[in-house]
Amino acid sequence: AQSVTQPDIHITVSEGASLELRCNYSYGATPYLFWYVQSPGQGLQLLLKYFSGDTLVQGIKGFEAEFKRSQSSFNLRKPSVHWSDAAEYFCAVVNQAGTALIFGKGTTLSVSS
Amino acid sequence: DAGVIQSPRHEVTEMGQEVTLRCKPISGHNSLFWYRQTMMRGLELLIYFNNNVPIDDSGMPEDRFSAKMPNASFSTLKIQPSEPRDSAVYFCASSKDRNTGELFFGEGSRLTVL
Repeated sequence: AQSVTQPDIHITVSEGASLELRCNYSYGATPYLFWYVQSPGQGLQLLLKYFSGDTLVQGIKGFEAEFKRSQSSFNLRKPSVHWSDAAEYFCAVVNQAGTALIFGKGTTLSVSS
Repeated sequence: DAGVIQSPRHEVTEMGQEVTLRCKPISGHNSLFWYRQTMMRGLELLIYFNNNVPIDDSGMPEDRFSAKMPNASFSTLKIQPSEPRDSAVYFCASSKDRNTGELFFGEGSRLTVL
């Protein structure tokens, strides 16, 4: 069965520093992968998605992610973090039936000044 | 567009009471999802509708939970009777194309069962 693992529960990054959030997936074929962000008290917002093609995908708010099949990973990156990026980040994969998303447990990002 | 609208935003009730959560998906979206979010289990898919028809309800925890979608613009998730372990944030999401996985989420309904 498909699954998503986000190894880091909580990460703290200094404002202006670079960020990488890890995501590993388990899926037999080429997965459809997503990163969502959730601000406190809000629903989830799509940051970016990967279906096929270029393995480096660009998203909103300056985020990017790289699909690495050999490592079963889809890590999220940002070169310079802003205080407003503090939120919870979820990696997700479409289930085998293609009907719904399976989410990781999330990584909480704190930004220090 | 107004986005996915959920009500109520917060609900506090006592064990044994009936709870009804409501969702209005984005107009034109034909897929609707109910997710539950807890600290322990993260985001769990409860049920998924396509064109108002329940497709997959394997995530519904037990018979106390039921969901309906009487038309394309309205869905309900009902818990009867409610229990303290049902306390969670319940999200509704809609999608224009069920195969893209691009979900649009509401702001959630935070349920507390005392």
